[in-house]
Parts: sequence; structure tokens; C-alpha cells
Amino acid sequence: GQQVMQIPQYQHVQEGEDFTTYCNSSTTLSNIQWYKQRPGGHPVFLIQLVKSGEVKKQKRLTFQFGEAKKNSSLHITATQTTDVGTYFCAADSWGKLQFGAGTQVVVTP
Amino acid sequence: GAVVSQHPSRVICKSGTSVKIECRSLDFQATTMFWYRQFPKQSLMLMATSNEGSKATYEQGVEKDKFLINHASLTLSTLTVTSAHPEDSSFYICSARVDSGGNGYTFGSGTRLTVV
Repeated sequence: GQQVMQIPQYQHVQEGEDFTTYCNSSTTLSNIQWYKQRPGGHPVFLIQLVKSGEVKKQKRLTFQFGEAKKNSSLHITATQTTDVGTYFCAADSWGKLQFGAGTQVVVTP
Repeated sequence: GAVVSQHPSRVICKSGTSVKIECRSLDFQATTMFWYRQFPKQSLMLMATSNEGSKATYEQGVEKDKFLINHASLTLSTLTVTSAHPEDSSFYICSARVDSGGNGYTFGSGTRLTVV
């Protein structure tokens, strides 16, 4: 089955800085979803990208889907302590989610 | 929004016993639910797809006789870990989807299973 690779695995960010997490697939994806999981919590849906080259924004979060629909990124600007958690990309294949390894984000005040 | 209720949130059991985890869709009907397992500091791994009124489909490497799934109604799916062993200790999470129109999957709050 398809695999979704996600980097970096860990991201230490100073409050106020920006960071980006990346997902790549060897196969073309029908769509990609992003989730956030707070420490001790469960994944919460952030967004779904479907179209080639699509860009969506949610306040300080910017999500992109590559032109070839094989990669995606999540960029967070002006990181806040509330951004702490693990961010997962996930490819939806016939109703099944294939999760990336996740990027664990730690924010230093 | 869509809510998936999962319980228990935590359970400690002795080796060799069985544990049942329930997952309910509270404000929508879910013909399909998904069960995941997550080890500490790792990603979510799909275990099985629970189908209302029919047998669950299991991912490769998941023992169907050990992880029994029942989806008896449109709002309830259960996962029973049978003859639990310490290596079964993990975070188990269910999910379901209201629709495919741009909305993602809603996850339950998870069950942390510790087998002693």
C-alpha cells in the first residue's frame, strides 16, 4: 500500500518563530488530511486538501498540496504555546487513513 | 459537530483476561468505523475496519481472533482484546466519518490499555 513519509519527526520552536512540516508520498494521492494531536489526547481534524496545488489557510496555519498531488506541507507562523502537539498528515485511500509518522512540536516560551 | 464517544478512557487488566472497548457515534450514524492502535511516540496504525451488519476487515498482521470487532448497530462498534498480554498495552482509538464532503474523520478520545 501507499506510504506517507513525514518530516521532521521533532521540531523545537521558539515562541514567535515559524516552522514547516512536510509529507511526501511515492504515489499520487486522491486527497490528504491534516490532524493535530495534543499530548495525551486524540487526533483532531484540521483540514482536507483535494485539488492539485491547493492552498488553504486557517489563521496562522497554511496548508499546501503539491501540483503532482504527491506532497503536502503545513506551515505555522508566529508559533504559540497552544501549538504544542503532534501534527499528522494522512492519506485517505478507499476510506482508510494512512498516517505519516507525525511531527512532534515543542514550543519554548 | 460530529462526536464519537469512546470508553473506557483507561483500563488496567491482568494478563489473560479480556477487555472490551466501546465506540459510539452520538449524533450521526456510522456504517463504518475504524480502529487504530498507537504506541507511545508513534503514529496511528489502522487495525481494522468495522462494518455495521457484517464482518470486520482486518489489516495485515492483525489477529482477528485476538481483536474481536462487533458493529451491531449504526452507532456502536466494540473492540474486544482477548487474552490480553503486556505487549497489547497501547492506546486504542476509534474513528468514524460523517460524510466525505470535505470533512475529515472524527476520533474517539481513546482508551489507554495497560496489561499487567
